Amino acid sequence: DAGVTQSPTHLIKTRGQQVTLRCSPKSGHDTVSWYQQALGQGPQFIFQYYEEEERQRGNFPDRFSGHQYPNYSSELNVNALLLGDSALYLCASSLVPGHLNTEAFFGQGTRLTVV
Amino acid sequence: ELKVEQNPLFLSMQEGKNYTIYCNYSTTSDRLYWYRQDPGKSLESLFVLLSNGAVKQEGRLMASLDTKARLSTLHITAAVHDLSATYFCAVDIAGNTGKLIFGQGTTLQVKP
Repeated sequence: DAGVTQSPTHLIKTRGQQVTLRCSPKSGHDTVSWYQQALGQGPQFIFQYYEEEERQRGNFPDRFSGHQYPNYSSELNVNALLLGDSALYLCASSLVPGHLNTEAFFGQGTRLTVV
Repeated sequence: ELKVEQNPLFLSMQEGKNYTIYCNYSTTSDRLYWYRQDPGKSLESLFVLLSNGAVKQEGRLMASLDTKARLSTLHITAAVHDLSATYFCAVDIAGNTGKLIFGQGTTLQVKP
């Protein structure tokens, strides 16, 4: 079991550009959540995808969007990058919301630096 | 809005000592998680606490949950240097949705 995998591991972008981050969930999991972790902070929930739809969203602007594919993999897109978007982006996979065991397993993260 | 607060935020301790990290949350939830994060790394799941009075132990770490007090503790027994890391508690905002609200983290430094 490869666990949760994310790509790329590191990324450097310029202000105003757009970026796409990718996540493959743990085998058997169908729900993907994305988190942003700024340096020295706890992770902040961005949104969650289940059955190819955004199910829950945190307090993030519309510049942050996502997608889930039929194989449960997911993308996080950020448009019009700002310096403040520099962070570690974590993907977490779990079973369907409401399942008895919704323990989230995290990928290794993508370190995004906006210059 | 659910808030999760940890204290202390930084803890420096000697090897062999005991200490407790506290995690308070502001609204009802019966599902709390503890994670460990090493510098530059992802989150490693330590404990899942699913009910009032739940207690789990792994090695030198023991976690407990008091849902009535909205409090979880992570107790460290006879600390060793390998436990140096940042520890996060996280609460599932609606009990079982997979949307986690994290505390600020407690950075633990264990000195030889």
